[in-house]
Amino acid sequence: AQSVTQLDSQVPVFEEAPVELRCNYSSSVSVYLFWYVQYPNQGLQLLLKYLSGSTLVKGINGFEAEFNKSQTSFHLRKPSVHISDTAEYFCAVSEIGSGYNKLIFGAGTRLAVHP
Amino acid sequence: DTAVSQTPKYLVTQMGNDKSIKCEQNLGHDTMYWYKQDSKKFLKIMFSYNNKELIINETVPNRFSPKSPDKAHLNLHINSLELGDSAVYFCASSQGQGRTEAFFGQGTRLTVV
Repeated sequence: AQSVTQLDSQVPVFEEAPVELRCNYSSSVSVYLFWYVQYPNQGLQLLLKYLSGSTLVKGINGFEAEFNKSQTSFHLRKPSVHISDTAEYFCAVSEIGSGYNKLIFGAGTRLAVHP
Repeated sequence: DTAVSQTPKYLVTQMGNDKSIKCEQNLGHDTMYWYKQDSKKFLKIMFSYNNKELIINETVPNRFSPKSPDKAHLNLHINSLELGDSAVYFCASSQGQGRTEAFFGQGTRLTVV
């Protein structure tokens, strides 16, 4: 079975500051890794995903994440945040080879960007 | 043009009632899902259908019954609603294999009073 831990439930940050949202996972099998963003009263939108290859993955809106297999982590970063980045961010995994995209989500991290 | 659409967006109903939430996707995907997001924002998969066949059925009360008339539609029917069913329900779709992303609908906020 897989599990995902997002280490911070809330991250306050000032506009134009860098931010890192932390995600660790546990799995007995290899997994794909995803970050989704949820704006208020909206559905989830994919920010980026790691399937294979380079461990540094770039996504939309200037976000990137680095897969670290030895630490089983997939932290999300942005060098300079905007007010519009205020949202809930979810890390998720799905089992490789399962054939279906059963996503296991972390509890989410609320990013609050202040002026 | 909305890729995954759910109706209704809001649903307020009394305990004991039966209600349905509808979902349609126009992406041509062959797999659809229902996820539940509780009041603490925690997301958990409930069901998944692949080409109208049930492939994932998590530990969900049998008051919840998904129905897929075709691969573009996955509806969720809930019988005898309880207070604890209050949540946001998200429909999603993907093109089968786990490598591809899941596209989510806007959610249906169900409030049971």
